[in-house]
Amino acid sequence: ILNVEQSPQSLHVQEGDSTNFTCSFPSSNFYALHWYRWETAKSPEALFVMTLNGDEKKKGRISATLNTKEGYSYLYIKGSQPEDSATYLCDISTGNQFYFGTGTSLTVIP
Amino acid sequence: NAGVTQTPKFQVLKTGQSMTLQCAQDMNHNSMYWYRQDPGMGLRLIYYSASEGTTDKGEVPNGYNVSRLNKREFSLRLESAAPSQTSVYFCASGAETGAIYEQYFGPGTRLTVT
Repeated sequence: ILNVEQSPQSLHVQEGDSTNFTCSFPSSNFYALHWYRWETAKSPEALFVMTLNGDEKKKGRISATLNTKEGYSYLYIKGSQPEDSATYLCDISTGNQFYFGTGTSLTVIP
Repeated sequence: NAGVTQTPKFQVLKTGQSMTLQCAQDMNHNSMYWYRQDPGMGLRLIYYSASEGTTDKGEVPNGYNVSRLNKREFSLRLESAAPSQTSVYFCASGAETGAIYEQYFGPGTRLTVT
C-alpha cells in the first residue's frame, strides 16, 4: 500500500481568487499520477494524467505540475468560480493498481 | 455507450443480511475495481480484477467477496452485512491508454447497514 497525501484537507476561497493544493507520494514508486474532480453525489471525473518529471498540463483555468524526483504534484485553479467547488482527488498508479489520497475539498464563495 | 453502471444506487440493510452490488462496463476494459469511500478516508480498494476470471484482494477485502462473471460484469457481495460496511461503493473499470492505465468510475452505491 502506497501512502498518497493531499493538503490541505479543505479550502474556502473567494470567487476570483487563485488557489493551489498538493498531492505527495513516494517518489520511489511511481508510474503515473491522476487528478480527478469529484462533485458531491457524483463519481470522480478525470482531469489530468501525468507521467514525466516536469510535466505540466492545463485545461481551461486548471493546471497541474509534476515533480517525480521529490514526489509531489500541484494543482492550480486560476480565478476560482463557484462551479469549481468540488473535491479534488489524486492517485498514483503502479501499472493497473491505484492508490488514492483523501482529497482536497474546495469551496468557492460567491 | 453507458460507460460504467452500478445497481442499486441506494440500499438499506439490516445487520446480518446479504446482498450483491452489481457493476457493468461496456468499454471492453480488462481491469475492474471495487472501492469504498468513507469520510476522511478517500477511496480504498476492496478487490480488483485484472482480467476475466481473475480477482485479487485490495486494501480492505474482509467481509466481501467478488465475482468477475465475464469481461463486462464485476459484482461485490456482502455475505453478512455489518454497520462498519456503511459506505459509498464505487466500481471502476480501467484500460491501458498508450503506456498508462486510466480508470473510469460508476455513479456509486450508497449503502447503509443498521
